[in-house]
Amino acid sequence: GESVGLHLPTLSVQEGDNSIINCAYSNSASDYFIWYKQESGKGPQFIIDIRSNMDKRQGQRVTVLLNKTVKHLSLQIAATQPGDSAVYFCAENMANDYKLSFGAGTTVTVRA
Amino acid sequence: DTAVSQTPKYLVTQMGNDKSIKCEQNLGHDTMYWYKQDSKKFLKIMFSYNNKELIINETVPNRFSPKSPDKAHLNLHINSLELGDSAVYFCASSNGHDSNQPQHFGDGTRLSIL
Repeated sequence: GESVGLHLPTLSVQEGDNSIINCAYSNSASDYFIWYKQESGKGPQFIIDIRSNMDKRQGQRVTVLLNKTVKHLSLQIAATQPGDSAVYFCAENMANDYKLSFGAGTTVTVRA
Repeated sequence: DTAVSQTPKYLVTQMGNDKSIKCEQNLGHDTMYWYKQDSKKFLKIMFSYNNKELIINETVPNRFSPKSPDKAHLNLHINSLELGDSAVYFCASSNGHDSNQPQHFGDGTRLSIL
């Protein structure tokens, strides 16, 4: 399954399928990007980050892709599991700036 | 062994009251933050302190006053609570020496104004 845009879309994905969550960031001066996962009743939890000198970074079952030309960030989750159901946020940050700007979030629901 | 802990988890109070939320981190970080998350899940930075010094103040009404007694604590006091203050407030911390470090969040304080 795949989501598009900065609005709060929902993404429904079959268990075992791959998920792609997209994010368009706003500031061309941003050089650090993070994906967070927020489960119900919890705070945002760090998943993976990427710096602007990279275009791809892999973690455990997750991959982040960065396209600076079109200011686009995506999070790919392999073999989506029920525990992946949550709201996913992208966030951007500029060098020497403590302020993290968050996107609106994507709600991912995994169907059994 | 909670990394960023906030108290209380839930806060229900009347309009016009004054209340405080406390945050503590045991990660050894030197920068702490307060965020507000509205009913649409939008997260917005309110304040940030680095080594007890205020470095971000995002046009928050002056009814909100953060206080950092030391690097491991950042409290938020709110005067004259209004209905629009109902939200979830998150504390976070990071290693501020390098701003390109992930922020670690607490589990939030759910504030409801009656």
